Amino acid sequence: NAGVTQTPKFQVLKTGQSMTLQCAQDMNHEYMSWYRQDPGMGLRLIHYSVGAGITDQGEVPNGYNVSRSTTEDFPLRLLSAAPSQTSVYFCASSNPGLYPGEQYFGPGTRLTVT
Amino acid sequence: AQSVSQHNHHVILSEAASLELGCNYSYGGTVNLFWYVQYPGQHLQLLLKYFSGDPLVKGIKGFEAEFIKSKFSFNLRKPSVQWSDTAEYFCAVNPVNNAGNMLTFGGGTRLMVKP
Repeated sequence: NAGVTQTPKFQVLKTGQSMTLQCAQDMNHEYMSWYRQDPGMGLRLIHYSVGAGITDQGEVPNGYNVSRSTTEDFPLRLLSAAPSQTSVYFCASSNPGLYPGEQYFGPGTRLTVT
Repeated sequence: AQSVSQHNHHVILSEAASLELGCNYSYGGTVNLFWYVQYPGQHLQLLLKYFSGDPLVKGIKGFEAEFIKSKFSFNLRKPSVQWSDTAEYFCAVNPVNNAGNMLTFGGGTRLMVKP
């Protein structure tokens, strides 16, 4: 089991460029989500999905798009990168049921926008 | 909307000292509570969780946390820290019946343990 995987590990973008952060999980989890981590602010939810074809916005969705065409994959798209999007991005997955809220995190993508 | 406060942003301790990290949340309903840990260069890992029952929960590596409902608190404790406990610790809340299992995190506490 690889768990939750994310690519790339590091990325540098120029302002205005677009890119997609990849996230995949092999645990057959229904729920997937994206968080960004900024110093002193903990993790903040960007977007989440409760199943293939279903996505919704979190606390800080502006400037990001997501889609969920399969159970395994949940890519995050930056449409036009801005310096304010410099952050560490974590993907997470979980299942409803016995321990709701217990999430499994990927290793993160460190993004710098210049 | 719920919020989570961690009052200590940076903590420096010597090995064998006792640790207590504060966590308070604001939410009127029933919640599930978590502490996650992020070791340097690694991703977040679950340290312990509270869903119901005994308000004193034990996690990995000798950590424990106590849920005090009247104080909306879920403080993390360890009687004797080790250098390997150097990490950032995050408290998180999941309102029961919240769609998608989403978590609201505190701002994190960076712990440094001096050998």
